[in-house]
Order: sequence, then structure tokens, then C-alpha cells
Amino acid sequence: NAGVMQNPRHLVRRRGQEARLRCSPMKGHSHVYWYRQLPEEGLKFMVYLQKENIIDESGMPKERFSAEFPKEGPSILRIQQVVRGDSAAYFCASSTELGRPDTQYFGPGTRLTVL
Amino acid sequence: TQLLEQSPQFLSIQEGENLTVYCNSSSVFSSLQWYRQEPGEGPVLLVTVVTGGEVKKLKRLTFQFGDARKDSSLHITAAQPGDTGLYLCAGDPQKLVFGQGTRLTINP
Repeated sequence: NAGVMQNPRHLVRRRGQEARLRCSPMKGHSHVYWYRQLPEEGLKFMVYLQKENIIDESGMPKERFSAEFPKEGPSILRIQQVVRGDSAAYFCASSTELGRPDTQYFGPGTRLTVL
Repeated sequence: TQLLEQSPQFLSIQEGENLTVYCNSSSVFSSLQWYRQEPGEGPVLLVTVVTGGEVKKLKRLTFQFGDARKDSSLHITAAQPGDTGLYLCAGDPQKLVFGQGTRLTINP
């Protein structure tokens, strides 16, 4: 079952460190989306990428956050100099270029804890 | 910015009862999705509604898209403990806008 894979599932960082979250989309999917979920809240869109291109990053904080989806390998969400407010669950979703682009399949998430 | 509001935010009922969860917006959406999320997991897609007035059934779950495509509802008949979870509605095909969710608890 080649679903959306995310790793690590849990990540603990101290304030000021860097966090790297990885997402491998479903086989055949070329669209990747990142969302953030705070406790007891819904998911908030962060960024939408296609291979080697950022399509929409309107939900990304202006500083410290970046995302990429290289030609080869997983998509990476990078958070530099983490702060306690970055603690959240980060979900990746993928969709196919063909068929129904509105169907997004989610990974299990990475839970980031900043100490 | 398109916003989706879900109600109620929390609902606890007894097994066998019926319930309805609402998802409302002042904006028009080309489609709406309903997801269910278990603790520690990602959202799992239940259904996508596209046409105004559309009704879709998934076993004991009935989903409806409002005629004006601004709202949707999820009705569960004869709720079971296995229906417990966080139900999320989301809209806009690419940049999904999520409601804050309805946390449903079904008590045996």
C-alpha cells in the first residue's frame, strides 16, 4: 500500500534548532500540499508544490519556513530556528495531475515538539 | 479569505441516536470534502460533493451540499461507537480551507 509517507512521525527540537520534515507522495502523484494543525483546531494550508515548483505559498510564514519538492526524492518542509509556537502536527497531502485534482490524500503527519 | 464554520464543535451522544453536523460559509465553493481524523493520524477522505443540492450516502452517513454551494451537512443514522472521531469539512480544490472540526463521541 503506497500511501503518503511522512517521516519522522515525531520530532523533538530545542529552540533555535532546525526541523526537517519529509513527505513522499503517493505513487503517480505530482502535487504536494503541506498543512499545519494546532491542538483542537482544523488544518491550515501552508504551501502547494509541484515537482521543482512552488505553486502557492500564501500560507507559509514569511520567515524561517521553506519548502521544496525536488525532481528526485521527497518533499521537504524546513523550519529554521524553531520556536515553541512551531509545535504542531504537520500534514502532507498529495494529489494526481490527472483525474480529480480536488482529491487530496493525507499522510499520517509529523508531530513537532519544540522544547 | 474563504472560511468554513462547523457546528457543533463538540457532540457527545448515545449509541443508536441520530446526529447532524453542519459546515457553513458565506463563500461559494466549487466542491466540499468531508474528512474523518483519528487521534495521531492524518485526515481520511469520506466524500467529495460537487453539485449544488447533491446528496451522497456512505452506509449510515448522508452528506448534502447546499443548493448555493455555500454549506454542507453530514447526517449519521444510528450512531455507533466506531463513528467516534474528528469530522472535518474542507473546500477549494487546491488550497483546502478546513473548518475547525466537530469532535464526535458516541457512548456505548
